[in-house]
Order: sequence, then structure tokens, then C-alpha cells
Amino acid sequence: DAKTTQPPSMDCAEGRAANLPCNHSTISGNEYVYWYRQIHSQGPQYIIHGLKNNETNEMASLIITEDRKSSTLILPHATLRDTAVYYCIVREPGGFKTIFGAGTRLFVKA
Amino acid sequence: GAVVSQHPSWVICKSGTSVKIECRSLDFQATTMFWYRQFPKQSLMLMATSNEGSKATYEQGVEKDKFLINHASLTLSTLTVTSAHPEDSSFYICSASGHSDSNQPQHFGDGTRLSIL
Repeated sequence: DAKTTQPPSMDCAEGRAANLPCNHSTISGNEYVYWYRQIHSQGPQYIIHGLKNNETNEMASLIITEDRKSSTLILPHATLRDTAVYYCIVREPGGFKTIFGAGTRLFVKA
Repeated sequence: GAVVSQHPSWVICKSGTSVKIECRSLDFQATTMFWYRQFPKQSLMLMATSNEGSKATYEQGVEKDKFLINHASLTLSTLTVTSAHPEDSSFYICSASGHSDSNQPQHFGDGTRLSIL
């Protein structure tokens, strides 16, 4: 079973920041938090990952709480092309399997 | 960045035929590959884990004789759906992982849409 809980759907206005929450209260010490997104009829696309520090790349920012029990993915300026299902996943490093939960369906509206 | 390629993107075939799907890692050696299946409006469901040079590990409820997995090299894994039936119609996605001790993310192919008539 997936180790994360996400809201089923969210709306965001184009140009505004999209903040997608994820709960992972049973995360263990060596598990990383990964975020992927899936645009319709495509394979999942990697966005960002982190262990305990906040991370930022060209796509998004990842904010992880100090107790690591939850995190937030931030898309700073959402565009229509960011409409997708976003998956938050916790996983140990290495070749361990990735289990997907239901994800959050983000609708970016003009 | 790392790229995983799947082939074919689409396949339509008659009931009873076998279908082979290829998954290649294009710029890294994939010690482990994963196969997923996704039905409409549902999340990805892990089917099996494929390690180069050894037998695949199947998730509970996935028939190993129905879904044959071969991972003969560090850049290629294949999934063969044997004697496919309409209920096997789905979106099949592979992913690949490189170094076994790395925190680097898995990379996913663009999927293969299988339709069995």
C-alpha cells in the first residue's frame, strides 16, 4: 500500500502558485520523498525529491516539515500545461519499488 | 537527463495473441526495471520488479505465466503478455533505476497502450 495521503483534487488559477500537500506520517529515517506528475496518456515525469532539507529546481520547490511527516510541492507560477495528476511517494534509496497512491489531480484554470 | 524508451506506443491485436513490449534505458545502465499497469482513471499498479540476470519478482495477484518478463541486459527489459484477452487491455508503463545504492529517482517510459479486440 502507498505510504502517502494526498487530496484527490485541487484547482489553481493560471499564474498563481500551486501548493500540493502530502502526508507521510509513517516515513522512516532513510526514506526520501519523491514527487512525480502524470499528464494524460503519458508516463510519470519526475519533478523533485528530498530527504529532510527543502529543495528547489527549475520545476518546483519541495518543502518538508521538520518532523518529516508531511511535505508540500510548490509550483511557483502554474500554467495550463501543469494540469496533471501529481504523485507524492516515499521510498528508500536504491532499487526499491515505487508504489503509487491515488495522487492529486491538479486543474490549472485560465 | 536519463531517458527510458518504450516500444511500441500503441498496439492493437486480436484476442489470443501474444504481445511483447520493450523497455530500454538509453543513457544509463538499469540494474532494476519495474513494470506497471494502469487502467482508466486509476493510479499505476506495480506488476513486477525485474533485475538484470535474474528472475522477476511479481506482485501478489499478478500471473507470472501470463506476464513474462525478461531482463537480459542492463539496458533492456521486455514484458510479454501471453494469450492476451480483452481484460488485458490497459496502459503498460516501465521504469528503470540505476545504481542500487543511489537516491536518484526512477525514470519512466511513456507507456504502451494495449488494446485487445
